[in-house]
Amino acid sequence: RKEVEQDPGPFNVPEGATVAFNCTYSNSASQSFFWYRQDCRKEPKLLMSVYSSGNEDGRFTAQLNRASQYISLLIRDSKLSDSATYLCVVSYGANNLFFGTGTRLTVIP
Amino acid sequence: DVKVTQSSRYLVKRTGEKVFLECVQDMDHENMFWYRQDPGLGLRLIYFSYDVKMKEKGDIPEGYSVSREKKERFSLILESASTNQTSMYLCASSPVGAGGNTIYFGEGSWLTVV
Repeated sequence: RKEVEQDPGPFNVPEGATVAFNCTYSNSASQSFFWYRQDCRKEPKLLMSVYSSGNEDGRFTAQLNRASQYISLLIRDSKLSDSATYLCVVSYGANNLFFGTGTRLTVIP
Repeated sequence: DVKVTQSSRYLVKRTGEKVFLECVQDMDHENMFWYRQDPGLGLRLIYFSYDVKMKEKGDIPEGYSVSREKKERFSLILESASTNQTSMYLCASSPVGAGGNTIYFGEGSWLTVV
């Protein structure tokens, strides 16, 4: 079983739509959680960390469900510029980072 | 801003050649990483280093070696390049305890082995 699993998509949504991605992880000892964004042929960049209480940054909301071992990313009012691949990252201990394979989002005009 | 620089962005090498991929970070981070990213497989860790001259194998170290002689520089070496090493290579760095800190990536090196 993979450490981190994501639905690869693609998710094709119209502008203005709300879209949500989930990511499940297998190790219950996981401590830290992140969402990264990766544009085509570019490097991944941190979008947001995910905290136990959930956190919001503008149109983006991240949540953690430890009981069910998943994290989620919600994007409201999708923009064309949101088109990218979204990677979830889970870690436990020092230097134990696990990346999902990414969920591809395309926002359509 | 943190800067992770990969000096070679696009390379084409022949099978059997020795390849050096260089990475430099400017934030005095202890940890440095080399990943490769392939479609459908995501990021896979090749090696990481948590200090000068220290290295640990990742998930796919076969066919690769690394060198970290200075804190800011982490080099990936393909001793004898093969076609199955055609990929995008990403260098990254993070401060101590990457579990709780952000990992920063370089722009990537696209290697084609022919």
